[in-house]
Amino acid sequence: RKEVEQDPGPFNVPEGATVAFNCTYSNSASQSFFWYRQDCRKEPKLLMSVYSSGNEDGRFTAQLNRASQYISLLIRDSKLSDSATYLCVVNGNNDMRFGAGTRLTVKP
Amino acid sequence: ETGVTQTPRHLVMGMTNKKSLKCEQHLGHNAMYWYKQSAKKPLELMFVYSLEERVENNSVPSRFSPECPNSSHLFLHLHTLQPEDSALYLCASSQEVGGTYEQYFGPGTRLTVT
Repeated sequence: RKEVEQDPGPFNVPEGATVAFNCTYSNSASQSFFWYRQDCRKEPKLLMSVYSSGNEDGRFTAQLNRASQYISLLIRDSKLSDSATYLCVVNGNNDMRFGAGTRLTVKP
Repeated sequence: ETGVTQTPRHLVMGMTNKKSLKCEQHLGHNAMYWYKQSAKKPLELMFVYSLEERVENNSVPSRFSPECPNSSHLFLHLHTLQPEDSALYLCASSQEVGGTYEQYFGPGTRLTVT
């Protein structure tokens, strides 16, 4: 089983759509969780941390389910600029483990 | 953004060459990382440094040799690479080692081994 597993997509959605990504992780001792965004041919950048109680940042909502070991990201009212690859990241001991990413394309 | 810089941005080298990748962070961070990103694969953590001391080496072949002379600079020395080593090499830094800290990435060096 991969340490961090994501649906690779691609997800192709129209502007204004709501889209959700899921991510599962194998290490039950993981403590910290993040979503990063990576644009084509660019470096990854932190989108948001994921807290146990769930958290929201504008159109983005992240949730954590420790019992089932999965993390989700919900994007509401998609914009063209949301097109990117979304990386699920889980903390190990001294390091972070990245998923392979889910590619999102938002179309006019 | 110039928080983490990497040079060169692109590198083509033969299997018998020796080259070095350079990373510099201007954020005052204490931890630095090297990652490898291959097409359609997750980022693979290669090395972790905390205050110039290597704290993790994820079974990386010896043809990759890291060097951290101070907390702002990180090098990756390359020699006798294989074509399968062609990838994007990303450097990152964080305030401290540990997963609660955001990692800031450089733009990467796209390496092609011929």
